[in-house]
Amino acid sequence: GAVVSQHPSRVICKSGTSVKIECRSLDFQATTMFWYRQFPKQSLMLMATSNEGSKATYEQGVEKDKFLINHASLTLSTLTVTSAHPEDSSFYICSARDQGAGKDEQFFGPGTRLTVL
Amino acid sequence: AQSVAQPEDQVNVAEGNPLTVKCTYSVSGNPYLFWYVQYPNRGLQFLLKYITGDNLVKGSYGFEAEFNKSQTSFHLKKPSALVSDSALYFCAVRDTNAGKSTFGDGTTLTVKP
Repeated sequence: GAVVSQHPSRVICKSGTSVKIECRSLDFQATTMFWYRQFPKQSLMLMATSNEGSKATYEQGVEKDKFLINHASLTLSTLTVTSAHPEDSSFYICSARDQGAGKDEQFFGPGTRLTVL
Repeated sequence: AQSVAQPEDQVNVAEGNPLTVKCTYSVSGNPYLFWYVQYPNRGLQFLLKYITGDNLVKGSYGFEAEFNKSQTSFHLKKPSALVSDSALYFCAVRDTNAGKSTFGDGTTLTVKP
Protein backbone atom coordinates (compact mmCIF):
# COMPACT_ATOMS: atom_id res chain seq x y z
CA GLY A 1 0.00 0.00 0.00
CA ALA A 2 0.93 3.62 -0.31
CA VAL A 3 3.31 4.98 2.25
CA VAL A 4 3.72 8.42 3.71
CA SER A 5 6.82 9.23 5.69
CA GLN A 6 7.57 12.00 8.13
CA HIS A 7 10.94 13.28 9.21
CA PRO A 8 12.02 13.62 11.89
CA SER A 9 9.98 11.23 14.00
CA ARG A 10 10.95 13.08 17.15
CA VAL A 11 12.55 16.46 17.74
CA ILE A 12 13.47 18.47 20.81
CA CYS A 13 14.29 22.13 20.45
CA LYS A 14 14.79 25.24 22.52
CA SER A 15 12.24 28.04 22.77
CA GLY A 16 12.65 30.59 20.03
CA THR A 17 14.11 28.26 17.47
CA SER A 18 12.40 27.04 14.30
CA VAL A 19 11.74 23.42 13.44
CA LYS A 20 10.98 21.94 10.03
CA ILE A 21 8.97 18.76 9.63
CA GLU A 22 8.85 16.94 6.30
CA CYS A 23 6.01 14.87 4.91
CA ARG A 24 6.69 12.73 1.87
CA SER A 25 4.49 10.51 -0.24
CA LEU A 26 6.80 7.67 -1.22
CA ASP A 27 5.03 5.98 -4.12
CA PHE A 28 2.43 8.40 -5.37
CA GLN A 29 2.06 12.05 -6.20
CA ALA A 30 0.03 14.17 -3.85
CA THR A 31 -1.22 17.56 -4.96
CA THR A 32 -2.90 17.87 -1.60
CA MET A 33 -1.54 17.09 1.82
CA PHE A 34 -2.99 17.86 5.22
CA TRP A 35 -1.34 18.79 8.49
CA TYR A 36 -2.91 17.79 11.80
CA ARG A 37 -1.97 18.43 15.37
CA GLN A 38 -2.71 16.11 18.26
CA PHE A 39 -2.37 16.89 21.95
CA PRO A 40 -1.93 14.01 24.40
CA LYS A 41 -5.00 11.83 24.63
CA GLN A 42 -6.92 14.16 22.35
CA SER A 43 -8.20 14.09 18.83
CA LEU A 44 -6.50 15.22 15.65
CA MET A 45 -7.19 18.80 14.73
CA LEU A 46 -6.73 19.90 11.16
CA MET A 47 -4.29 22.78 10.94
CA ALA A 48 -4.06 23.39 7.22
CA THR A 49 -4.42 22.02 3.74
CA SER A 50 -1.19 22.06 1.77
CA ASN A 51 -1.60 22.55 -1.97
CA GLU A 52 1.22 21.85 -4.39
CA GLY A 53 2.27 25.01 -6.18
CA SER A 54 0.00 27.34 -4.24
CA LYS A 55 -0.52 28.75 -0.79
CA ALA A 56 -1.74 26.57 2.01
CA THR A 57 -5.25 26.97 3.34
CA TYR A 58 -5.26 27.38 7.11
CA GLU A 59 -8.05 26.47 9.47
CA GLN A 60 -9.57 29.12 11.64
CA GLY A 61 -7.38 29.97 14.61
CA VAL A 62 -4.15 28.62 13.13
CA GLU A 63 -1.45 31.26 12.73
CA LYS A 64 -0.07 31.01 9.24
CA ASP A 65 3.00 33.07 10.08
CA LYS A 66 3.85 30.69 12.86
CA PHE A 67 3.17 27.45 11.04
CA LEU A 68 4.72 27.88 7.62
CA ILE A 69 3.73 25.32 5.03
CA ASN A 70 5.54 24.75 1.77
CA HIS A 71 4.38 22.19 -0.78
CA ALA A 72 7.23 22.51 -3.24
CA SER A 73 6.80 19.27 -5.10
CA LEU A 74 4.20 16.59 -5.70
CA THR A 75 5.78 14.36 -3.09
CA LEU A 76 6.89 16.75 -0.37
CA SER A 77 5.22 19.15 2.01
CA THR A 78 7.01 20.82 4.89
CA LEU A 79 5.68 22.37 8.07
CA THR A 80 7.96 24.84 9.80
CA VAL A 81 7.14 25.83 13.36
CA THR A 82 8.71 29.24 13.73
CA SER A 83 9.86 30.74 17.02
CA ALA A 84 8.70 27.66 18.84
CA HIS A 85 7.28 27.91 22.34
CA PRO A 86 6.59 25.14 24.86
CA GLU A 87 2.88 25.30 24.03
CA ASP A 88 3.75 24.23 20.48
CA SER A 89 4.84 20.87 21.88
CA SER A 90 2.57 18.35 20.26
CA PHE A 91 2.30 15.40 17.92
CA TYR A 92 2.11 16.56 14.30
CA ILE A 93 0.65 14.20 11.72
CA CYS A 94 0.41 14.69 7.98
CA SER A 95 -1.72 12.92 5.43
CA ALA A 96 -1.37 12.80 1.67
CA ARG A 97 -4.18 12.52 -0.82
CA ASP A 98 -3.78 10.13 -3.73
CA GLN A 99 -6.11 11.07 -6.57
CA GLY A 100 -4.28 9.20 -9.30
CA ALA A 101 -6.05 6.86 -11.76
CA GLY A 102 -9.55 7.62 -10.55
CA LYS A 103 -8.70 7.07 -6.92
CA ASP A 104 -9.31 9.24 -3.90
CA GLU A 105 -7.41 7.78 -0.99
CA GLN A 106 -5.59 9.32 1.92
CA PHE A 107 -2.65 7.96 3.80
CA PHE A 108 -1.33 9.17 7.11
CA GLY A 109 2.26 9.60 8.11
CA PRO A 110 3.63 8.12 11.33
CA GLY A 111 3.72 11.49 13.07
CA THR A 112 6.40 13.78 14.51
CA ARG A 113 6.69 14.38 18.23
CA LEU A 114 7.82 17.95 18.88
CA THR A 115 9.02 18.95 22.33
CA VAL A 116 9.93 22.58 22.92
CA LEU A 117 11.98 23.24 26.03
CA ALA B 1 -20.21 21.52 8.42
CA GLN B 2 -19.41 17.93 9.18
CA SER B 3 -18.94 16.48 12.62
CA VAL B 4 -18.34 13.20 14.37
CA ALA B 5 -19.23 12.15 17.88
CA GLN B 6 -17.77 9.29 19.85
CA PRO B 7 -19.87 9.27 22.99
CA GLU B 8 -17.61 7.00 25.03
CA ASP B 9 -14.18 8.10 26.19
CA GLN B 10 -13.42 4.59 27.38
CA VAL B 11 -14.64 1.10 26.57
CA ASN B 12 -13.58 -1.87 28.66
CA VAL B 13 -14.19 -5.45 27.61
CA ALA B 14 -12.89 -8.85 28.59
CA GLU B 15 -10.79 -10.81 26.14
CA GLY B 16 -12.93 -13.05 23.98
CA ASN B 17 -16.04 -10.93 24.40
CA PRO B 18 -17.55 -8.87 21.59
CA LEU B 19 -16.73 -5.19 21.48
CA THR B 20 -18.50 -2.14 20.13
CA VAL B 21 -17.10 1.36 19.80
CA LYS B 22 -19.77 3.89 18.96
CA CYS B 23 -19.72 6.68 16.40
CA THR B 24 -22.37 9.03 15.08
CA TYR B 25 -21.88 11.59 12.38
CA SER B 26 -23.39 14.66 10.79
CA VAL B 27 -22.76 15.60 7.18
CA SER B 28 -24.52 17.23 4.31
CA GLY B 29 -24.61 14.85 1.42
CA ASN B 30 -23.27 11.34 1.32
CA PRO B 31 -20.84 10.43 4.08
CA TYR B 32 -17.37 9.00 3.65
CA LEU B 33 -16.72 7.33 6.99
CA PHE B 34 -13.53 5.87 8.40
CA TRP B 35 -12.18 4.10 11.44
CA TYR B 36 -8.56 4.37 12.50
CA VAL B 37 -6.58 2.92 15.37
CA GLN B 38 -3.67 4.59 17.10
CA TYR B 39 -1.14 2.97 19.39
CA PRO B 40 0.89 5.11 21.83
CA ASN B 41 3.24 7.55 20.11
CA ARG B 42 2.33 6.18 16.72
CA GLY B 43 0.46 7.47 13.71
CA LEU B 44 -2.96 6.38 12.57
CA GLN B 45 -3.58 2.95 11.14
CA PHE B 46 -6.50 2.57 8.76
CA LEU B 47 -9.05 -0.07 9.78
CA LEU B 48 -11.95 0.31 7.41
CA LYS B 49 -14.12 2.72 5.48
CA TYR B 50 -17.62 3.16 4.14
CA ILE B 51 -18.09 4.94 0.86
CA THR B 52 -21.08 3.22 -0.69
CA GLY B 53 -22.56 -0.25 -1.03
CA ASP B 54 -23.14 -2.79 1.71
CA ASN B 55 -23.91 -1.32 5.09
CA LEU B 56 -21.68 -3.86 6.81
CA VAL B 57 -18.05 -3.12 6.12
CA LYS B 58 -15.28 -5.55 6.97
CA GLY B 59 -11.82 -4.27 7.72
CA SER B 60 -8.43 -5.14 9.11
CA TYR B 61 -7.73 -7.36 12.14
CA GLY B 62 -11.25 -8.78 12.23
CA PHE B 63 -12.98 -5.45 12.74
CA GLU B 64 -16.19 -4.50 11.03
CA ALA B 65 -18.53 -1.54 11.10
CA GLU B 66 -22.17 -1.09 10.30
CA PHE B 67 -23.36 2.00 8.50
CA ASN B 68 -26.85 3.02 9.61
CA LYS B 69 -28.19 5.94 7.66
CA SER B 70 -31.36 6.43 9.65
CA GLN B 71 -29.44 6.58 12.92
CA THR B 72 -26.46 8.37 11.35
CA SER B 73 -24.18 5.87 13.03
CA PHE B 74 -21.10 3.91 12.09
CA HIS B 75 -20.28 1.72 15.08
CA LEU B 76 -17.10 -0.34 15.09
CA LYS B 77 -17.44 -3.97 16.14
CA LYS B 78 -15.43 -7.10 16.65
CA PRO B 79 -16.91 -10.48 17.62
CA SER B 80 -14.06 -11.51 19.91
CA ALA B 81 -11.71 -8.96 21.44
CA LEU B 82 -7.99 -9.50 21.91
CA VAL B 83 -5.75 -7.88 24.50
CA SER B 84 -3.70 -6.53 21.60
CA ASP B 85 -6.76 -4.59 20.41
CA SER B 86 -6.24 -2.21 23.34
CA ALA B 87 -5.60 1.18 21.75
CA LEU B 88 -7.16 4.53 20.88
CA TYR B 89 -9.81 4.40 18.17
CA PHE B 90 -10.92 7.29 16.01
CA CYS B 91 -13.96 7.63 13.83
CA ALA B 92 -13.68 10.17 11.01
CA VAL B 93 -15.79 11.67 8.27
CA ARG B 94 -14.24 13.02 5.13
CA ASP B 95 -15.32 15.91 2.95
CA THR B 96 -15.48 14.34 -0.49
CA ASN B 97 -14.57 17.54 -2.31
CA ALA B 98 -11.88 19.18 -0.22
CA GLY B 99 -10.64 15.92 1.24
CA LYS B 100 -10.55 17.27 4.80
CA SER B 101 -11.12 14.75 7.55
CA THR B 102 -12.95 15.53 10.77
CA PHE B 103 -12.17 13.21 13.64
CA GLY B 104 -14.12 12.23 16.70
CA ASP B 105 -12.53 12.71 20.10
CA GLY B 106 -11.40 9.13 20.23
CA THR B 107 -12.32 6.14 22.37
CA THR B 108 -9.77 4.27 24.42
CA LEU B 109 -10.42 0.56 24.21
CA THR B 110 -9.03 -1.62 26.97
CA VAL B 111 -9.28 -5.37 26.63
CA LYS B 112 -8.52 -7.23 29.83
CA PRO B 113 -7.24 -10.80 29.91
